[in-house]
Amino acid sequence: QKEVEQNSGPLSVPEGAIASLNCTYSDRGSQSFFWYRQYSGKSPELIMFIYSNGDKEDGRFTAQLNKASQYVSLLIRDSQPSDSATYLCAVNIRYSTLTFGKGTMLLVSP
Amino acid sequence: EAQVTQNPRYLITVTGKKLTVTCSQNMNHEYMSWYRQDPGLGLRQIYYSMNVEVTDKGDVPEGYKVSRKEKRNFPLILESPSPNQTSLYFCASSPSGWGEQYFGPGTRLTVT
Repeated sequence: QKEVEQNSGPLSVPEGAIASLNCTYSDRGSQSFFWYRQYSGKSPELIMFIYSNGDKEDGRFTAQLNKASQYVSLLIRDSQPSDSATYLCAVNIRYSTLTFGKGTMLLVSP
Repeated sequence: EAQVTQNPRYLITVTGKKLTVTCSQNMNHEYMSWYRQDPGLGLRQIYYSMNVEVTDKGDVPEGYKVSRKEKRNFPLILESPSPNQTSLYFCASSPSGWGEQYFGPGTRLTVT
C-alpha cells in the first residue's frame, strides 16, 4: 500500500476558479502534513503546513486535514496561471522522515 | 537571507569517478536531508541527519554516503557513481524532525 497518494492529474481549471487538490495517507500515526509547490526543474517550495484537524487559511490557500479519514486537501481560490505547477503532498509518517506523494499537476488556463 | 545552498548545480561525470555535492544552510537547523527526484518515482529520501555526527539511512541509501561534521553542512558523497544515479538531487533542512523542510535549489547529476 502506497503511503501517500495523490491523483497525478493534470487538473485543469480556468483562471479565477477554485482548484481542489487531494491527498490520502496510510499511517494513522502521522503527525504533520505539508503542501509544496514545484515548478518544472525547480525545487519544492513550501506553501502550507497543518498539524490539527480542520482548516487552515493563508491568503488564497486553504489546507484541510481530516485525520479520521486520513486525507489532506489544498484549496486554491482565485486560481492564476502562475499557480500552474505540480503540487506535492508530504506527510511525516515517522519522526525525521517526510514522505512525499508523486504530485498533482495543476494547469490554470487564462 | 535564510537559505539552503547546493553546489554544483549541474554536473556531468563518468562512471566510477568519485564526487561530492555540498549542501549548506544558514538557518541553524538541526535536521538535514538528501532526496533524489526521478520521473514517475517522485521524491525519495536518501539519507538524513538529526544533528552533528548523527546520520541515518532513508529509503534509497545504496551507493551514497553522507557526513555531518558541522551543523550547517551536509555533503552527499558518491564514491563510485553509476548511470542509475543520474537524477535531480535536493538537500533540505528543518528545525526538527517533525517540522517543515526547506529545500535547496537542486543539483542535476548526469553519470555517463
